Amino acid sequence: SAVISQKPSRDICQRGTSLTIQCQVDSQVTMMFWYRQQPGQSLTLIATANQGSEATYESGFVIDKFPISRPNLTFSTLTVSNMSPEDSSIYLCSVLEPGQINTGELFFGEGSRLTVL
Amino acid sequence: GQQVMQIPQYQHVQEGEDFTTYCNSSTTLSNIQWYKQRPGGHPVFLIQLVKSGEVKKQKRLTFQFGEAKKNSSLHITATQTTDVGTYFCAGPPANDYKLSFGAGTTVTVRA
Repeated sequence: SAVISQKPSRDICQRGTSLTIQCQVDSQVTMMFWYRQQPGQSLTLIATANQGSEATYESGFVIDKFPISRPNLTFSTLTVSNMSPEDSSIYLCSVLEPGQINTGELFFGEGSRLTVL
Repeated sequence: GQQVMQIPQYQHVQEGEDFTTYCNSSTTLSNIQWYKQRPGGHPVFLIQLVKSGEVKKQKRLTFQFGEAKKNSSLHITATQTTDVGTYFCAGPPANDYKLSFGAGTTVTVRA
């Protein structure tokens, strides 16, 4: 299975600032996704990171707030822009490996825990 | 849009007892997956069920997929402290790959 590294693992941020989270995978993967998990809540899909093109956002999430890059098949970034305390969450990178495209089994990074003051 | 619901939200179990958590989708699923998230950790894949009525076992865990492919259950026997965590069901609707996650069942164990 893919090994996924996320940075930073945690951060405390000031209101109004932006933070970029990096996701590095040790192998080429078919698809990369970004999820948000608010405290004590389930996982909500933010967007699908598309290689070489604009990400596909889910309802309620917009590019201006959560710009995403995916320059190649092993790396993606998620930026949380103009942060407010409501953005305090765990942000998780997840991947679909080529062999799992038909099953949908996801592998998750360790997550980035953001606290916005 | 698709909604996946799980009950109960919290399960407090005496060590050694059995319990079941249930998952229901508003739409037919192409498959159902279960993930476990330990406190402070990230979700880890446990199992996938694909066929209508399918039952799979992993040691003390029994997973079932409903006949209509809209519901699932996870039954744990002889609960141990290592079973502590949140169990999520998730499924993509037919002809899709994106997973919708249930709210999760958070399990605590009394020794």
